Amino acid sequence: GEDVEQSLFLSVREGDSSVINCTYTDSSSTYLYWYKQEPGAGLQLLTYIFSNMDMKQDQRLTVLLNKKDKHLSLRIADTQTGDSAIYFCAESTRSQGNLIFGKGTKLSVKP
Amino acid sequence: SQTIHQWPATLVQPVGSPLSLECTVEGTSNPNLYWYRQAAGRGLQLLFYSIGIGQISSEVPQNLSASRPQDRQFILSSKKLLLSDSGFYLCAWSIGGEKLFFGSGTQLSVL
Repeated sequence: GEDVEQSLFLSVREGDSSVINCTYTDSSSTYLYWYKQEPGAGLQLLTYIFSNMDMKQDQRLTVLLNKKDKHLSLRIADTQTGDSAIYFCAESTRSQGNLIFGKGTKLSVKP
Repeated sequence: SQTIHQWPATLVQPVGSPLSLECTVEGTSNPNLYWYRQAAGRGLQLLFYSIGIGQISSEVPQNLSASRPQDRQFILSSKKLLLSDSGFYLCAWSIGGEKLFFGSGTQLSVL
């Protein structure tokens, strides 16, 4: 079945780079997504990558996709305290746009 | 531009009471609409989705129901709440099933 896995916690120091990893199972996914959730808020679409790409860069964010290994990563350069949040990886499915989400990685940024 | 409104932001209800959560989308037509629940363990569970007025698909059997009386309105209901219905409820929309955009969420506590 479809599944998305990601580690639950990541702690980094302010100014360092953060790398959040994700694995997925559905090789037919068209898009893969990264969402950010701050405490008590909804999910905010951070970035996404089309499945025929292997990299996408958007300011401090870099998404890498290894389709062979079904591995997706999000790199945040120069991590700031405001980046502290839960980051969700998600893949699209064939079913009416139902995205399959991972359980989220809680990123803690220490000053 | 498109916006999504979800209310209320927080709700405390006794066991056995009814529930009605409302979600509306502005700035787009014929969106796909979704209700997700996020339990304490952070995972996102798709409850219902709708591709059009009166068309509701349920992903999991439960004590809840959904309705779409208008193109841009999605309502989550229950006749009698259970303790296990507590959680963070998120409404979302998409066009064509890609890139979900979420509302700000409703924190429901059933006591």
